[in-house]
Amino acid sequence: AQKVTQAQTEISVVEKEDVTLDCVYETRDTTYYLFWYKQPPSGELVFLIRRNSFDEQNEISGRYSWNFQKSTSSFNFTITASQVVDSAVYFCALSEAGGNKLVFGAGTILRVKS
Amino acid sequence: EPEVTQTPSHQVTQMGQEVILRCVPISNHLYFYWYRQILGQKVEFLVSFYNNEISEKSEIFDDQFSVERPDGSNFTLKIRSTKLEDSAMYFCASSEKYEQFFGPGTRLTVL
Repeated sequence: AQKVTQAQTEISVVEKEDVTLDCVYETRDTTYYLFWYKQPPSGELVFLIRRNSFDEQNEISGRYSWNFQKSTSSFNFTITASQVVDSAVYFCALSEAGGNKLVFGAGTILRVKS
Repeated sequence: EPEVTQTPSHQVTQMGQEVILRCVPISNHLYFYWYRQILGQKVEFLVSFYNNEISEKSEIFDDQFSVERPDGSNFTLKIRSTKLEDSAMYFCASSEKYEQFFGPGTRLTVL
């Protein structure tokens, strides 16, 4: 069975602080895919990143970085120098194959105050 | 940039009525999905569709729900007899294979 746990329900930071959103997953498959989505106050779901289980290389995209550790089944997301526009709900998700359903975590509400 | 579109953005209906939610996936995508999000909760998978048939469905997707791809562009979700607990945001998504791109959602309110 697949499961994604985002233990942090809500995080509040002040602008320019770094913040890390945690994600822990469970799956029996050896091949799987991990995702992060952003849901701003307007409500849409915005794709941020996909990671394959066989690629543990960490990734950086501007102020965003992701740390994938198979040994701890974690796929954490760090925002450096946070901005008010980063305020949103962030979802981690897992899929066991291409074309398969996404299993979402409960989401973490990030509030960035100026 | 191509995007998934959904209509209507908001649908209000009476309990027991039928509703059809419409989606236009990204044109070269092969996989289509419906998810729902009850207010303040996680996003839940309903159904996936590939090669003109359902490939997987969740426990939520019971006999009251159906999906259809009536032509080459639209993908619809029908709820035959709506219940109060069907009130939620319904998201359509499509993918070429891995990354699923979501539409803006239809907020369904059942009174």
